[in-house]
Amino acid sequence: NAGVTQTPKFRILKIGQSMTLQCTQDMNHNYMYWYRQDPGMGLKLIYYSVGAGITDKGEVPNGYNVSRSTTEDFPLRLELAAPSQTSVYFCASSYGGQGAYEQYFGPGTRLTVT
Amino acid sequence: TQLLEQSPQFLSIQEGENLTVYCNSSSVFSSLQWYRQEPGEGPVLLVTVVTGGEVKKLKRLTFQFGDARKDSSLHITAAQPGDTGLYLCAGAKTGSARQLTFGSGTQLTVLP
Repeated sequence: NAGVTQTPKFRILKIGQSMTLQCTQDMNHNYMYWYRQDPGMGLKLIYYSVGAGITDKGEVPNGYNVSRSTTEDFPLRLELAAPSQTSVYFCASSYGGQGAYEQYFGPGTRLTVT
Repeated sequence: TQLLEQSPQFLSIQEGENLTVYCNSSSVFSSLQWYRQEPGEGPVLLVTVVTGGEVKKLKRLTFQFGDARKDSSLHITAAQPGDTGLYLCAGAKTGSARQLTFGSGTQLTVLP
């Protein structure tokens, strides 16, 4: 099993450009999450999904969009990139069963907006 | 938003020393997790504690969940350079769609 995979690993965007960060998991997990991590800070939840076709906002959703058409994939879309979106983005998944809060993380995408 | 405060923020020690890092909140959590993150990688789960007062040991690492389920500590005995990394605590609340609230982390450096 590959677990949670993310592409690309690095990306530089100009202000106003758009891009999609890809996330795929092969563990048949119901729950998926997108976080951003800024230097010296913990992880902030951007969006999450409890299953295909169901998404909801997290703590910092502004400037982002998501979709969940399959169990495996949970892409994150940035429409108009801004310098404030420079960060490291992590995708995670969780089984979601009773008491199963453990999350499994991908390796991250380091995004710079200039 | 429930806040999880971690302390210290940075810790640099010599190999063989013991250390404790703390994770505190004013909120009650149904469970609390500790993750370790190495540079360029995502966090990896170390342990989940569920019951107030629970103590779990993972080799040289000892995790404790506070009696009131508002705080936790991680104690490392005889630290090794391989223990270097960012330690994150994360709390879960019942009925929160499995959302976790993460602390800001403790960056541990163990010098040989």
